[in-house]
Amino acid sequence: GQQVMQIPQYQHVQEGEDFTTYCNSSTTLSNIQWYKQRPGGHPVFLIQLVKSGEVKKQKRLTFQFGEAKKNSSLHITATQTTDVGTYFCAGAGTASKLTFGTGTRLQVTL
Amino acid sequence: DGGITQSPKYLFRKEGQNVTLSCEQNLNHDAMYWYRQDPGQGLRLIYYSQIVNDFQKGDIAEGYSVSREKKESFPLTVTSAQKNPTAFYLCASSMGTSGRADTQYFGPGTRLTVL
Repeated sequence: GQQVMQIPQYQHVQEGEDFTTYCNSSTTLSNIQWYKQRPGGHPVFLIQLVKSGEVKKQKRLTFQFGEAKKNSSLHITATQTTDVGTYFCAGAGTASKLTFGTGTRLQVTL
Repeated sequence: DGGITQSPKYLFRKEGQNVTLSCEQNLNHDAMYWYRQDPGQGLRLIYYSQIVNDFQKGDIAEGYSVSREKKESFPLTVTSAQKNPTAFYLCASSMGTSGRADTQYFGPGTRLTVL
């Protein structure tokens, strides 16, 4: 079945440093979504990418979808303590369900 | 106030007992999902339903059962056959009208501990 892997599993940065998490699917995706889960909370939708090579920005967050539609990345510029949490990518194949990645936990310290 | 509710937030059960987790949504969404999350892990799909009176197994359905008698409700039963039921259970819904995976909205989750 479809598998979605994320690296790194965990990253600890100083506030102001940049952060990137990478997502790789074993199969071609129709779209990829990104979610953020704060500690003790539930996943919250951030963005969806559909087109090959698509790049979208949300303030300090930049999302990319690979040309082959099998990988994606999330880059955060100048992290803040409010960015703390686990970031999940979720890939959509041909069915109506999503396959969630393993997640990257981000810790930001002052 | 629209959204997804799950109750209770924390649930304790003795080993060998069945337990049912509640999930209700008032977003008028067609599709609903149940995920399991273990500490430090991603989300694994247990069951999903695209329409009332129909549901499909996800990746880890063994030991679980669901029903979808109403559009708003998708309860999950954790049976005694589930070997390791202690986990954080998340319910989600999506519009589901496109036939493809669209944005999912999650409830606050139920943390189940089996003693």
